[in-house]
Amino acid sequence: DAGVTQSPTHLIKTRGQQVTLRCSPKSGHDTVSWYQQALGQGPQFIFQYYEEEERQRGNFPDRFSGHQFPNYSSELNVNALLLGDSALYLCASSAPQGIPFSGANVLTFGAGSRLTVL
Amino acid sequence: DQQVKQNSPSLSVQEGRISILNCDYTNSMFDYFLWYKKYPAEGPTFLISISSIKDKNEDGRFTVFLNKSAKHLSLHIVPSQPGDSAVYFCAASEDSGYALNFGKGTSLLVTP
Repeated sequence: DAGVTQSPTHLIKTRGQQVTLRCSPKSGHDTVSWYQQALGQGPQFIFQYYEEEERQRGNFPDRFSGHQFPNYSSELNVNALLLGDSALYLCASSAPQGIPFSGANVLTFGAGSRLTVL
Repeated sequence: DQQVKQNSPSLSVQEGRISILNCDYTNSMFDYFLWYKKYPAEGPTFLISISSIKDKNEDGRFTVFLNKSAKHLSLHIVPSQPGDSAVYFCAASEDSGYALNFGKGTSLLVTP
């Protein structure tokens, strides 16, 4: 059973450029969340998508945008890249709320896309 | 503002002994608490969770304790094994399905 897959695994951009990261959720999952993990920090919530709509958003500027497709896959777009955007970007998926689970938001994470901005 | 804090960046424990990882939080609205484990070049993997209506949850070698009055939780691993060596993240959310707030992580090293 394939888990969460992300592409690309590594990429290098220069300041001012734009980047698109892609994510395919785990089979059976319909909700996708994106997190940014800077070096030495814990993951920081960017936003969550459900039914192709942004359902929650963290404290990130409008340069960060996303999209969810009918097949539940998702993209994260970052415009006007800054040096500080260099980080590991993690995609996570979770099961439909109606399916019994632990009661907590148990996310399944991908291995991430490491973005370096020069 | 960091709402979830893991004040020990690293911890070293001998194989077979108990590992205790600590986590403090500031937001009294948090209702769910989770621990994730992360190996290098992999995404975090879910380990164990606890809701605010409980004070203890056990799963095999892993036990999480929650002290709501102190806004503190801890993860106990007994006995510790070399394969447990990883970075452990504490996370919390206000409700099931809400965004997770993560701590900075504690790097655990279990030595033979």
